[in-house]
Amino acid sequence: RKEVEQDPGPFNVPEGATVAFNCTYSNSASQSFFWYRQDCRKEPKLLMSVYSSGNEDGRFTAQLNRASQYISLLIRDSKLSDSATYLCVVTRYSGGGADGLTFGKGTHLIIQP
Amino acid sequence: DAGVIQSPRHEVTEMGQEVTLRCKPISGHNSLFWYRQTMMRGLELLIYFNNNVPIDDSGMPEDRFSAKMPNASFSTLKIQPSEPRDSAVYFCASSMDIYSGNTIYFGEGSWLTVV
Repeated sequence: RKEVEQDPGPFNVPEGATVAFNCTYSNSASQSFFWYRQDCRKEPKLLMSVYSSGNEDGRFTAQLNRASQYISLLIRDSKLSDSATYLCVVTRYSGGGADGLTFGKGTHLIIQP
Repeated sequence: DAGVIQSPRHEVTEMGQEVTLRCKPISGHNSLFWYRQTMMRGLELLIYFNNNVPIDDSGMPEDRFSAKMPNASFSTLKIQPSEPRDSAVYFCASSMDIYSGNTIYFGEGSWLTVV
């Protein structure tokens, strides 16, 4: 099983709709989780951290399910500007502890007018 | 505030040539990462440094790749000799530290094409 797995998509969603996608991770010891956003031909940028109790930032909601080892991202009232690739990011562990982040390959989202 | 600065932004080189990519991390950040991104393999961690010391280079594909961080404000990733399969976007990133799962900040990337 890959460390971090995402459905690559693309997800084609009409503007204004709600869209959600998940990401699964294999290392149960992972402690930190993030969603990054990457626009075409740009660098990844932090969208939001994911907290155990779930958290919301405007139209975006992130949730963590430790028992099933997945995190999710929900986007409400989607905008054309939400079109991007969304990368799931999980703490990377080796040897003595956390030592960086592992990125999923990303889910490609296309918001259609 | 200056972010992570990478150079060159774009490079086209012939197979067999040496390629040197450069990175200046955000001031005050103790950890520096080199990633490679391709369509097929996604974003792969090549190597990372903490306080200028290489911690894990297990992601470096082979001996043709080497990375250095001579001081807190500069790092290089070198490919010698380069091959067409090395064509990718190479991102440098930095963070406050690697242990707390802090967010990392990426440079704009170096787009490498080896022909």
